[in-house]
Amino acid sequence: AQKITQTQPGMFVQEKEAVTLDCTYDTSDPSYGLFWYKQPSSGEMIFLIYQGSYDQQNATEGRYSLNFQKARKSANLVISASQLGDSAMYFCAMTKGGGYQKVTFGIGTKLQVIP
Amino acid sequence: GAVVSQHPSWVICKSGTSVKIECRSLDFQATTMFWYRQFPKQSLMLMATSNEGSKATYEQGVEKDKFLINHASLTLSTLTVTSAHPEDSSFYICSASNPRLGTYEQYFGPGTRLTVT
Repeated sequence: AQKITQTQPGMFVQEKEAVTLDCTYDTSDPSYGLFWYKQPSSGEMIFLIYQGSYDQQNATEGRYSLNFQKARKSANLVISASQLGDSAMYFCAMTKGGGYQKVTFGIGTKLQVIP
Repeated sequence: GAVVSQHPSWVICKSGTSVKIECRSLDFQATTMFWYRQFPKQSLMLMATSNEGSKATYEQGVEKDKFLINHASLTLSTLTVTSAHPEDSSFYICSASNPRLGTYEQYFGPGTRLTVT
């Protein structure tokens, strides 16, 4: 079974500062995919970034980067230069294999950006 | 791109009635779609995997006779909540992936908020 753990129920960050959202995972599968999604108050799930278990380099997408530490089974999300629009729920998630399968979500972290 | 739509975006129904929620992939074909449920301030919980042309696969604890899923075409999956009760009130979200795009991203619909009175 796969499990995602997010230990920060809420985080505050000053506008323009960087913030790290923690995520650890547990799986016995050698091949898996890790995701981060953003969910604003409107409810839609917005894909941010993906990391494959065999990827050698950390994934980056604009202001988002994923700090992948395989030995520690962690996949922290780093948001640089926070903006007010970044205030939302952030979910860490994983799939078995390449990623075309069902997604297991963590409980989420609520990020609030302070002007 | 890959866009997934849901209809309706919100619905209020009386206890005991049935409600159908549609999930459509607008610009790609989705052989597999997923249905999730999210209670307030909680995470998304997978309910079932919807496969085109075959029966859905339900997660443990999800009543398949209560949550009917039909994946009649490569662009449409429906979730019908039968004999709805107030405890079924939730946010229902579908998702789909498109391996042909060459990305592992799952595309989520905007969600349907169901309130049962």
